[in-house]
Amino acid sequence: GESVGLHLPTLSVQEGDNSIINCAYSNSASDYFIWYKQESGKGPQFIIDIRSNMDKRQGQRVTVLLNKTVKHLSLQIAATQPGDSAVYFCAENIGETSGSRLTFGEGTQLTVNP
Amino acid sequence: DTGVSQDPRHKITKRGQNVTFRCDPISEHNRLYWYRQTLGQGPEFLTYFQNEAQLEKSRLLSDRFSAERPKGSFSTLEIQRTEQGDSAMYLCASSERRGRGNSPLHFGNGTRLTVT
Repeated sequence: GESVGLHLPTLSVQEGDNSIINCAYSNSASDYFIWYKQESGKGPQFIIDIRSNMDKRQGQRVTVLLNKTVKHLSLQIAATQPGDSAVYFCAENIGETSGSRLTFGEGTQLTVNP
Repeated sequence: DTGVSQDPRHKITKRGQNVTFRCDPISEHNRLYWYRQTLGQGPEFLTYFQNEAQLEKSRLLSDRFSAERPKGSFSTLEIQRTEQGDSAMYLCASSERRGRGNSPLHFGNGTRLTVT
């Protein structure tokens, strides 16, 4: 399953399928990007980050892709599990001169159906 | 648990009262941040400290808000004369400064404030 951007706040997938969550960021000067997972009643949990000198980075079951040309970021989750159900936020940072301030997107609610 | 700790988890107060929240960051992290999150929205930056110095404040941080980090360890966020619009989740995060590069922020589970 795949979300089409910030204007589609929900994504529903079947357990075992791959998920793709998309994010359009706003500032062409942003040079550091992070994906967070937030479960109900908890703070955002770091998933994976990527710097602007890279276009792909892989973690455990997750991959982040960065397309600076169109200012687009995506998070791919392989073999999605019920425990992956949460709201996912992308966040951008303009760099050291901005004091590591992160600007968050609106978030996508991922629901994994067993 | 060596993560970011926030206290209290929930606070209900009447309009006009003052409230204070505490954050204990990850011990080796020298940067500390406060964010505010309302329902259905992403967190919004309020302020950030490097050690004990408050280096940046958002325009969201009105003069009723004050944050301190007196010894470069824990931090407090005080809201004076609370208003109903202050109702939100207040999140604290910390990170380490890595040379010239960024490092990810690690968040606590927040303090949920309800102003009645």
